[in-house]
Amino acid sequence: ETGVTQSPTHLIKTRGQQVTLRCSSQSGHNTVSWYQQALGQGPQFIFQYYREEENGRGNFPPRFSGLQFPNYSSELNVNALELDDSALYLCASSFGGGIQETQYFGPGTRLLVL
Amino acid sequence: GENVEQHPSTLSVQEGDSAVIKCTYSDSASNYFPWYKQELGKRPQLIIDIRSNVGEKKDQRIAVTLNKTAKHFSLHITETQPEDSAVYFCAARGNQGGKLIFGQGTELSVKP
Repeated sequence: ETGVTQSPTHLIKTRGQQVTLRCSSQSGHNTVSWYQQALGQGPQFIFQYYREEENGRGNFPPRFSGLQFPNYSSELNVNALELDDSALYLCASSFGGGIQETQYFGPGTRLLVL
Repeated sequence: GENVEQHPSTLSVQEGDSAVIKCTYSDSASNYFPWYKQELGKRPQLIIDIRSNVGEKKDQRIAVTLNKTAKHFSLHITETQPEDSAVYFCAARGNQGGKLIFGQGTELSVKP
């Protein structure tokens, strides 16, 4: 198992609400990437944080936002939840924020929007 | 745009047989290609990766080959076992920092 942890494990929200998901990176890692995995599909890149700065963003609307703390843990915030936001949210920890580092995934947070 | 295509979507083999999963990528600048195994309800687990300066990499029963000219890479699992049953994802590094672009996944079933 990796040293990457996420909380909470499961979450149920209603449409229009806001949610905050958390990720603790593996010891020695300074980069966190967030992915959304819909049922039966591959993970989709949301954004990456390297040394507390956003280091790339996928095709997600601005209501998906994040931040990284000095200890390199990270949060993903989603505002104005929509039904299609129901998915498994994965964070991945790595070192370097560059082009070839290996990413290790946390167990994910399963979000259900009703 | 950046894209990774993965085939087949499902694969059923007998225990002891080999399994091959193939992926193609669109961005010629991609230079890192990991493979992940995801069991039901669990996190994607890195099983092997390859960088563009290498054509082949092997780790026990698992091997990955890369053809940069054709922009495709493949996962080979030999002597399959029931515990190899899972969904396998290929990925390619995108053009933004650490962005990984994933294929749609292959559900591998190994029958005893």
